[in-house]
Amino acid sequence: GQNIDQPTEMTATEGAIVQINCTYQTSGFNGLFWYQQHAGEAPTFLSYNVLDGLEEKGRFSSFLSRSKGYSYLLLKELQMKDSASYLCAGTDSNYQLIWGAGTKLIIKP
Amino acid sequence: IAGITQAPTSQILAAGRRMTLRCTQDMRHNAMYWYRQDLGLGLRLIHYSNTAGTTGKGEVPDGYSVSRANTDDFPLTLASAVPSQTSVYFCASSDGGHGGELFFGEGSRLTVL
Repeated sequence: GQNIDQPTEMTATEGAIVQINCTYQTSGFNGLFWYQQHAGEAPTFLSYNVLDGLEEKGRFSSFLSRSKGYSYLLLKELQMKDSASYLCAGTDSNYQLIWGAGTKLIIKP
Repeated sequence: IAGITQAPTSQILAAGRRMTLRCTQDMRHNAMYWYRQDLGLGLRLIHYSNTAGTTGKGEVPDGYSVSRANTDDFPLTLASAVPSQTSVYFCASSDGGHGGELFFGEGSRLTVL
């Protein structure tokens, strides 16, 4: 079956670094997305990885290992506004998205 | 700033009633999607449309129907609402390209009593 696993909740301190992991099992694989969703709001796009490696975009970076079925989202210099849920989604062979349940990130001062 | 507009934002309705959630986008995106989001579960695809005039079933299509008469509009209809359809519904669109990001509407919170 197809499955996306990510931790339910994480806590981190303002100014620190946090890594949110995601493992996936999909029928075929055509890339992995990360989205951010603040409480009560719509998800917004953060990153898309299709090749192995790290892609950096400001304070946020996303990593992919296709051989391990693994990705992570790295958030640096955490700010209070980064408190949100982070959704991992894998793309299967038909380019359909398989979504994880999301990781709720709590930032403490 | 435009994008995707959903209506209503929130609705409470009695079981057995018919309900249509509206979705309109002005980005001229080919692909549109309807998802439901429930606590503890990932977004689940209800129906999708790759281009105007075509629709397809997603992961959880039962009890829902859609139409795509033109590029901009993609309404979702619950013919006879049941309590298990209580959820937050998100409409989304993309340019249809592989790896293309999804643009989401603000969501419609539906409660079926």
